[in-house]
Amino acid sequence: AQSVTQPDIHITVSEGASLELRCNYSYGATPYLFWYVQSPGQGLQLLLKYFSGDTLVQGIKGFEAEFKRSQSSFNLRKPSVHWSDAAEYFCAVGATGNQFYFGTGTSLTVIP
Amino acid sequence: GAVVSQHPSRVICKSGTSVKIECRSLDFQATTMFWYRQFPKQSLMLMATSNEGSKATYEQGVEKDKFLINHASLTLSTLTVASAHPEDSSFYICSARVGTVLSPLHFGNGTRLTVT
Repeated sequence: AQSVTQPDIHITVSEGASLELRCNYSYGATPYLFWYVQSPGQGLQLLLKYFSGDTLVQGIKGFEAEFKRSQSSFNLRKPSVHWSDAAEYFCAVGATGNQFYFGTGTSLTVIP
Repeated sequence: GAVVSQHPSRVICKSGTSVKIECRSLDFQATTMFWYRQFPKQSLMLMATSNEGSKATYEQGVEKDKFLINHASLTLSTLTVASAHPEDSSFYICSARVGTVLSPLHFGNGTRLTVT
């Protein structure tokens, strides 16, 4: 069955430090992978997506993610975190039949 | 592009009343929209898939008579919470996809429903 796992429920980083949010997926075919960010009380904003091709994808706000088929992972990274990056981050897998599978989310706190 | 507008952003109602939430695709046509429910500090739970001109497809465990979905046009889907009760208090988010399954979902800003 399809599933998405985000092992880290909550992460705290210092402003200016690097960030990596983990995402593992289980899907039988080639996955369509997404990262979304949600600020408190808001909807979800697309950060980046992977369909095929280059396994390192660039997104908005300085984020990038790397697809590793051998590890079934699609980790999100940012070299230098800003205080405004504090939010909830969701990894998702898009499948056929309009299905979207979301991870449980990782809450990011940025300390000055 | 691909803006999804959801209204209202916040609503407080008394138990037993019905509440309607609107979801509009502003600059594209959406034959399919999705309604999610999100509990505090949890992920999104797909409630139903709204199909323009036909009945919505509900996920297992979602009450069709409680959560009424109408997709009257290619740019508007509505979710009505009928006879709301405090346990229906939640954050409801709609989304739409531009094009095929390869396209990402675009989300509205959500509606915070509080039933007193």
